[in-house]
Amino acid sequence: QKEVEQDPGPLSVPEGAIVSLNCTYSNSAFQYFMWYRQYSRKGPELLMYTYSSGNKEDGRFTAQVDKSSKYISLFIRDSQPSDSATYLCAMSANSGGYQKVTFGIGTKLQVIP
Amino acid sequence: EAQVTQNPRYLITVTGKKLTVTCSQNMNHEYMSWYRQDPGLGLRQIYYSMNVEVTDKGDVPEGYKVSRKEKRNFPLILESPSPNQTSLYFCASSSVAARDNEQFFGPGTRLTVL
Repeated sequence: QKEVEQDPGPLSVPEGAIVSLNCTYSNSAFQYFMWYRQYSRKGPELLMYTYSSGNKEDGRFTAQVDKSSKYISLFIRDSQPSDSATYLCAMSANSGGYQKVTFGIGTKLQVIP
Repeated sequence: EAQVTQNPRYLITVTGKKLTVTCSQNMNHEYMSWYRQDPGLGLRQIYYSMNVEVTDKGDVPEGYKVSRKEKRNFPLILESPSPNQTSLYFCASSSVAARDNEQFFGPGTRLTVL
C-alpha cells in the first residue's frame, strides 16, 4: 500500500464548477500537508500549505485536513480554465525545507470553458 | 528572478552513453534534490543534498550519481543509462529554514534512453 493515495483522474468540469480534489494517507506521522499545482511542461509549484487538522482558505482555494480520517482535500471555487493542471498532494512529518516530502501521483484537472 | 534551471530540457540518448543533467539555483538554498516523475508512480526522490559536499540517497538512487561541489549546482549523472531510466526529471531546492516545506522546482528534463 502506498503511503499517499490520490486518484489520477482525469477530472473534467465546466467553468464555474466547484472542484474537490482528495488524498488519503496511511502514515500517522504526517503533520504538514501541501498541495502543488503542475502545469503541462512545467515543474510543480506550491499552492497551499497547512499544518495539522483544519481548514485554510486562500482566495478561491480551500485546503482541508482531517487527520482522524487521514484524508485531505483541496476545493476550488468558481473554477477557471486557467486552473487546468495536475494537482499533487504532498505530506511531511516535520516542518523545514530539508524534510522528506511524500507526494501523491497527482490528479489531472481540466476546466472546460 | 528566483529560479531553478535545468539543462538540457529534452534529451534522447542510447543505452550506456554517460550523461549529465545540470541543475542550478540562484536562491542560496542549502537543500537540493532530484526527483523522477513517472505515470502512475508520481514524484520519487532520487538523491538529495543538505549542503555542499553532503549528499544522500533518496528512494530510487540505483543507476544515478550526484555531486554538490558548489552551493548553487547539483548535477545528476547517469554513468550507464538504461531504458528504465526514461523519465521526466525534476531538480528542486529549498531553504532549510523554510517553515512551509516549500520546494522550488525546475522546469524538468525529459530523458529518453533507447
